[in-house]
Amino acid sequence: AQKITQTQPGMFVQEKEAVTLDCTYDTSDPSYGLFWYKQPSSGEMIFLIYQGSYDQQNATEGRYSLNFQKARKSANLVISASQLGDSAMYFCAMRGGTGFQKLVFGTGTRLLVSP
Amino acid sequence: GAVVSQHPSWVICKSGTSVKIECRSLDFQATTMFWYRQFPKQSLMLMATSNEGSKATYEQGVEKDKFLINHASLTLSTLTVTSAHPEDSSFYICSAIGGGQGTDTQYFGPGTRLTVL
Repeated sequence: AQKITQTQPGMFVQEKEAVTLDCTYDTSDPSYGLFWYKQPSSGEMIFLIYQGSYDQQNATEGRYSLNFQKARKSANLVISASQLGDSAMYFCAMRGGTGFQKLVFGTGTRLLVSP
Repeated sequence: GAVVSQHPSWVICKSGTSVKIECRSLDFQATTMFWYRQFPKQSLMLMATSNEGSKATYEQGVEKDKFLINHASLTLSTLTVTSAHPEDSSFYICSAIGGGQGTDTQYFGPGTRLTVL
């Protein structure tokens, strides 16, 4: 069975600082995908970044980067130069092998960015 | 691109009535859509997978007769909560796979907050 673990219920960071949100996963599938979503208080789930299990390089999307360590089964999200608008819940999710489209979500981390 | 809409954004209904929630992919065709339920301060719980033109696949423990899902076209899936009760009050959010990235990325709608009185 697939499992996503986010051990940080809450994180604080000052504006303009970088922050790392932890995510570890467990799967027996050799092919899988890892996703990060942001959920602001409005409720919408916003796709941030994707990492495939066979991708050689860490994914980056603007201020977001994914620190993918396959041997450790971790896929931490790094947000650089935090902004007040980054305050939200962040969910790590995993999709299983080829043709398996369902996502398994972690419990989320609430990030608060202070001025 | 890859925009998903939901309607309504919120709804209040009386116990015993049925409520229909629509999920639309606005700028892409979605052969697969998903319906999730989220309780306050919790993660998303997958309710069912909806494939265009076929019956939905429900997750274990989800009553298919209570949560009717129809995926009539490549851009529309509907969730009908039949004979709603207060315990059905929740945040319902849909997602659709598309956008052409080839990564099976799910793009989510803005969600529907259901309150059953």
